[in-house]
Amino acid sequence: NAGVTQTPKFQVLKTGQSMTLQCAQDMNHEYMSWYRQDPGMGLRLIHYSVGAGITDQGEVPNGYNVSRSTTEDFPLRLLSAAPSQTSVYFCASIRFSSEQNTEAFFGQGTRLTVV
Amino acid sequence: KNQVEQSPQSLIILEGKNCTLQCNYTVSPFSNLRWYKQDTGRGPVSLTIMTFSENTKSNGRYTATLDADTKQSSLHITASQLSDSASYICVVCWTGFQKLVFGTGTRLLVSP
Repeated sequence: NAGVTQTPKFQVLKTGQSMTLQCAQDMNHEYMSWYRQDPGMGLRLIHYSVGAGITDQGEVPNGYNVSRSTTEDFPLRLLSAAPSQTSVYFCASIRFSSEQNTEAFFGQGTRLTVV
Repeated sequence: KNQVEQSPQSLIILEGKNCTLQCNYTVSPFSNLRWYKQDTGRGPVSLTIMTFSENTKSNGRYTATLDADTKQSSLHITASQLSDSASYICVVCWTGFQKLVFGTGTRLLVSP
């Protein structure tokens, strides 16, 4: 039961570096999303995808890119890291179904520090 | 604007005591409301789900209530344990738009 696999768990970047956070799910969900979690602010939506080949921006998309070539994978790319991107990042795979069954499944998180 | 507000922001209780966490939302219409538990360094995990027609649902020592008229939900933890120390996040599903609206969470610390 892998669920949502997110890597890496920790990462330190220098300002200006780029990197990709990986996310894979094995539940065949169409909907996947990326969030960042900062103290006192809760989870904020960065980008989301409603299926392979379809992505859209969330509330805080600047500085991040995503792609969705397969149902399983939804990587998040930081193009040029900035200290303001220091945060904990969560990938989620969401089952939008009947009332009882809508549920988000989260990865373990990536703690990113940009120095 | 659809919002979910939680209170208190943080809470410290002694082991064995009960506590209640609050969630007020303005999301309408909504499909369901879930309470998630997030342990330190982990992703959130669902505890309970409430639909529009439900008032109370229990999961062991956790009991969630929902008042759809006042748009309020609560999570009651009975006989708290050290392992209950975590953040508890209220999440409302926004019907028709496939969107989840997150509260900012309540950080609970259970002290021995």
